[in-house]
Amino acid sequence: AQSVTQLGSHVSVSEGALVLLRCNYSSSVPPYLFWYVQYPNQGLQLLLKYTSAATLVKGINGFEAEFKKSETSFHLTKPSAHMSDAAEYFCAVSDPGYQKVTFGTGTKLQVIP
Amino acid sequence: NAGVMQNPRHLVRRRGQEARLRCSPMKGHSHVYWYRQLPEEGLKFMVYLQKENIIDESGMPKERFSAEFPKEGPSILRIQQVVRGDSAAYFCASSPPSGQGFAQFFGPGTRLTVL
Repeated sequence: AQSVTQLGSHVSVSEGALVLLRCNYSSSVPPYLFWYVQYPNQGLQLLLKYTSAATLVKGINGFEAEFKKSETSFHLTKPSAHMSDAAEYFCAVSDPGYQKVTFGTGTKLQVIP
Repeated sequence: NAGVMQNPRHLVRRRGQEARLRCSPMKGHSHVYWYRQLPEEGLKFMVYLQKENIIDESGMPKERFSAEFPKEGPSILRIQQVVRGDSAAYFCASSPPSGQGFAQFFGPGTRLTVL
C-alpha cells in the first residue's frame, strides 16, 4: 500500500522567504509523485509531477520539488514566497501501473507580510 | 478545452433526502474519481470509475452511496437518505486513459450541506 506523510499541517513564512513543504512517501514500487494546491473554496490544481524522469521537477508559479529516493522524500520549495501563495498544498503518490492516487493530509501555507 | 465540470456547486438537502452530484470529465478523459473532503481533513478517496465500470470502490461507504459513469453523460455520485455527517465537499477528478505520466485534474467541487 502506498502512503504519503506531510510534516506540518500549518507552515508560516514571511513574504520573500523560502518556502519548504515536506512530503515523505511510502511505496513498494517506484512511484509517481504529485503536488497540488488548493485555494479556498476551489478544487485542486496540479503544481507539478514526478514520473521517473528528471529528479528535480519544476512546476507552475515558481515551485519545484526534488525526488530523493534514498530519503523517500519529495519536498516542495519556492525561493521567495508571495502573498498569493497562501493556500493548502497536498502531496500525492500513485503506482505507475494503477491510476489510484493517495493524498496526504495537506499543509496550509500562511504568508506573512 | 473545458476543464472538469461539476454541478451543482452548492447543494442543500434535508436529512433523509437524496443528493445527486454530477461530474463531466475533461474531453478525452475516460477515468473518473470521486473524493470527499471534510473540514480540516485531507482528500479521502471514494471511488474510481471508467466508462460503465467501477474499478475501485474501496473508499465508498457500504450503504447509501453509489456511483456510476454511463456510456453517455456525466458521472453521478448518489447519496441516499442523507445524514448530517454527509456534509462535505465532494470533488471529482478525471485522467486520460494512458498510464504514462498521467495526472488527475480536479473539478471545483460540490459543497453538500445537510440540514
